[in-house]
Amino acid sequence: DAGVIQSPRHEVTEMGQEVTLRCKPISGHNSLFWYRQTMMRGLELLIYFNNNVPIDDSGMPEDRFSAKMPNASFSTLKIQPSEPRDSAVYFCASSSSPTTDTQYFGPGTRLTVL
Amino acid sequence: GQQLNQSPQSMFIQEGEDVSMNCTSSSIFNTWLWYKQDPGEGPVLLIALYKAGELTSNGRLTAQFGITRKDSFLNISASIPSDVGIYFCAGSYSGGGADGLTFGKGTHLIIQP
Repeated sequence: DAGVIQSPRHEVTEMGQEVTLRCKPISGHNSLFWYRQTMMRGLELLIYFNNNVPIDDSGMPEDRFSAKMPNASFSTLKIQPSEPRDSAVYFCASSSSPTTDTQYFGPGTRLTVL
Repeated sequence: GQQLNQSPQSMFIQEGEDVSMNCTSSSIFNTWLWYKQDPGEGPVLLIALYKAGELTSNGRLTAQFGITRKDSFLNISASIPSDVGIYFCAGSYSGGGADGLTFGKGTHLIIQP
């Protein structure tokens, strides 16, 4: 079975541009999580969904960030407009709650904003 | 938000040595997880702990869920070169995967042949 799929793997953009990151969770998983990893702050939870519904977006840094999950097999994280401080690795993870806390991570998208 | 203090930040050891790292929290968790991250990859789950006092092994790895529910440790016995990477502890408040995880800052393990 395929793991969590993220695209693109690398994104380089200029400040002010819109960035869209994509995630396909593991089939059958009903919870999806977006994390951001930086050297300074480590891994931080941005937002998570249960059954396609956003549950907690308190980790989203500001209004420039938005996330959607239109169906059980797809989610997007959008940054508009992007800023250099948004440069980080963004991970998507999924789990089959409520049976387990185990979250399976995708390979991540490395975002560089110039 | 809640914080996890993970130590040590880095370890330089000889191949074959045992490794020990731990995490402490300012509040109680219901679940402790240990992940390993290789360069350019996402974290991969090593061990999950669901009950205070629980001791769980996965090959050469052993982890324990502290009695106070505020700490956990991970031991690696007889380290080998492929153990190199960053190890993260993570905690969850919910009992059913319905919450995001709080991560420690990681322990960088470097093995000298």
